[in-house]
Amino acid sequence: AQRVTQPEKLLSVFKGAPVELKCNYSYSGSPELFWYVQYSRQRLQLLLRHISRESIKGFTADLNKGETSFHLKKPFAQEEDSAMYYCALISYNTDKLIFGTGTRLQVFP
Amino acid sequence: GAGVSQSPSNKVTEKGKDVELRCDPISGHTALYWYRQSLGQGLEFLIYFQGNSAPDKSGLPSDRFSAERTGGSVSTLTIQRTQQEDSAVYLCASSPRTVHQFFGPGTRLTVL
Repeated sequence: AQRVTQPEKLLSVFKGAPVELKCNYSYSGSPELFWYVQYSRQRLQLLLRHISRESIKGFTADLNKGETSFHLKKPFAQEEDSAMYYCALISYNTDKLIFGTGTRLQVFP
Repeated sequence: GAGVSQSPSNKVTEKGKDVELRCDPISGHTALYWYRQSLGQGLEFLIYFQGNSAPDKSGLPSDRFSAERTGGSVSTLTIQRTQQEDSAVYLCASSPRTVHQFFGPGTRLTVL
């Protein structure tokens, strides 16, 4: 079964600390993985996708097929990073996004 | 407008009433999705429309839920005989031929 697991509901860090939001997936085949972010009172938006291999707002995520993980990392968290983060996967033969339950990141000053 | 729009932004209804939620996708986007966002449940896929193909209804939680997409554009999600557990934020997203989905602001449904 296709599944995305985000084990942490809440992650709290202080400004300047490193951040890692965990994401594990279950999928037979080669999934395409995404991180979506929802800032307070804003709509859900794409943060990054693994095939782009880019850094957005200082965040990176590497697909580890051996560990079936796609953790989101940032070396130095900023207060404006406080938001809800969702990991998602999509299969090539459908266009449905399967989301994890989300992790709320709180960055304290 | 440039983005996906949804109406109403908030809807409060009494248990047992029917509700209709509307989604206006980005012009030219062939795919349209409905999701439900509940506290502690994350984002739950409901239904997916792609062009003129039959919709993928595999995520609809019960036969009280239905959706239409008229003319390949606007979509309406209908919930009949609403229950308190239907209370959630209902999100619509549209997508061009790529997999990048653009989300609307959502409709917050409260069933009393």
